[in-house]
Amino acid sequence: DQQVKQNSPSLSVQEGRISILNCDYTNSMFDYFLWYKKYPAEGPTFLISISSIKDKNEDGRFTVFLNKSAKHLSLHIVPSQPGDSAVYFCAASPTGNQFYFGTGTSLTVIP
Amino acid sequence: ETGVTQTPRHLVMGMTNKKSLKCEQHLGHNAMYWYKQSAKKPLELMFVYSLEERVENNSVPSRFSPECPNSSHLFLHLHTLQPEDSALYLCASSQDPPRGGPIRTDTQYFGPGTRLTVL
Repeated sequence: DQQVKQNSPSLSVQEGRISILNCDYTNSMFDYFLWYKKYPAEGPTFLISISSIKDKNEDGRFTVFLNKSAKHLSLHIVPSQPGDSAVYFCAASPTGNQFYFGTGTSLTVIP
Repeated sequence: ETGVTQTPRHLVMGMTNKKSLKCEQHLGHNAMYWYKQSAKKPLELMFVYSLEERVENNSVPSRFSPECPNSSHLFLHLHTLQPEDSALYLCASSQDPPRGGPIRTDTQYFGPGTRLTVL
């Protein structure tokens, strides 16, 4: 059973606009959430994280929002740039070593 | 070399072969991981080594055998694999807090992966 879901396999956005990537989870024990970015032929790289005690974390053009009641988090990229085109993975973790990843959303930013 | 490296980058093997994947991290981390990325499936955590002890084995078939000789190196030994084992195998590392310390909130640094094809 998939505990972390990214229901949109792909997303296209015009350069300069906002990109919103969504992630849903089912396990209420998850208390730490991460977003990774993956370019072709490379491993995922850490992008931004949020713990369950917060509902928003911002780092430059990237903001992650957490809605615990809805078990939903989202990644906002604004303004979107062509270099942001990549696959974005959402991951969640309860206390411990276990990490659960979504299937990824492929973002294309159109110049 | 910097970051996390994996060799080989591509591997094709028959079902009766024995091969090994190698991962090396140059970040001074004390925890290492093996993940499997199959097409259209979530990343699956396979094994976790923390301070050279295996702390997680995620119901992985015994035809996959990990080895962590030291904190910088991690191997995945492969034996009599099946075609459905064809996937991208990713290694990652992170810095664990001391035992009894704060809960892990690590960010993981991934290698580029080994693309494995089992014929």
